[in-house]
Amino acid sequence: ETGVTQTPRHLVMGMTNKKSLKCEQHLGHNAMYWYKQSAKKPLELMFVYSLEERVENNSVPSRFSPECPNSSHLFLHLHTLQPEDSALYLCASSQSGTSSRGRGEKLFFGSGTQLSVL
Amino acid sequence: AQSVSQHNHHVILSEAASLELGCNYSYGGTVNLFWYVQYPGQHLQLLLKYFSGDPLVKGIKGFEAEFIKSKFSFNLRKPSVQWSDTAEYFCAVFSTDSWGKLQFGAGTQVVVTP
Repeated sequence: ETGVTQTPRHLVMGMTNKKSLKCEQHLGHNAMYWYKQSAKKPLELMFVYSLEERVENNSVPSRFSPECPNSSHLFLHLHTLQPEDSALYLCASSQSGTSSRGRGEKLFFGSGTQLSVL
Repeated sequence: AQSVSQHNHHVILSEAASLELGCNYSYGGTVNLFWYVQYPGQHLQLLLKYFSGDPLVKGIKGFEAEFIKSKFSFNLRKPSVQWSDTAEYFCAVFSTDSWGKLQFGAGTQVVVTP
């Protein structure tokens, strides 16, 4: 266990559904991340939160909406997704050093949510 | 249990030395294999990947890796390292045999001294 917990582990949803992915870290970190991993593609960074402030949004479609209510919890709200959004969504956390932007210290990953959009 | 093992946690070497980082996995099924690098103060970046075909793959910055299916290994190599290669290196395996889960190794911290 890495100290980063993601739920649910698997999710199947229709294109008109609204669902949320949850991530919780128990490591006392101050930065959290959402990554997307598709089969045969490398990781894609979606969002970065540092000290509960979104500091990076890598041109992610608005049907993905992140929320970081506190430094331990991160959500990814999903609505009107497309079949091509089917992927593994990974949450990660890190402890930012001198930078307040939460960049790049050692990342601890959750196990991911395998999402299938029908 | 299914896992990804990186053999060394810390490696220190001098510039121009050769680097080889070991990675073994225990998954069955079809695997996609990746090496990621995290430079100080930066996010993870992809170094190289293997999906199918030639088991010797070349990536960015002079890195290469060889997939040996019989040994369940995907070792990373660079013939001559530079100080700028100081980083943490992660092996990752995406397996169809494990619910499509991406599993990372624990990482190897590489320090290259001038």
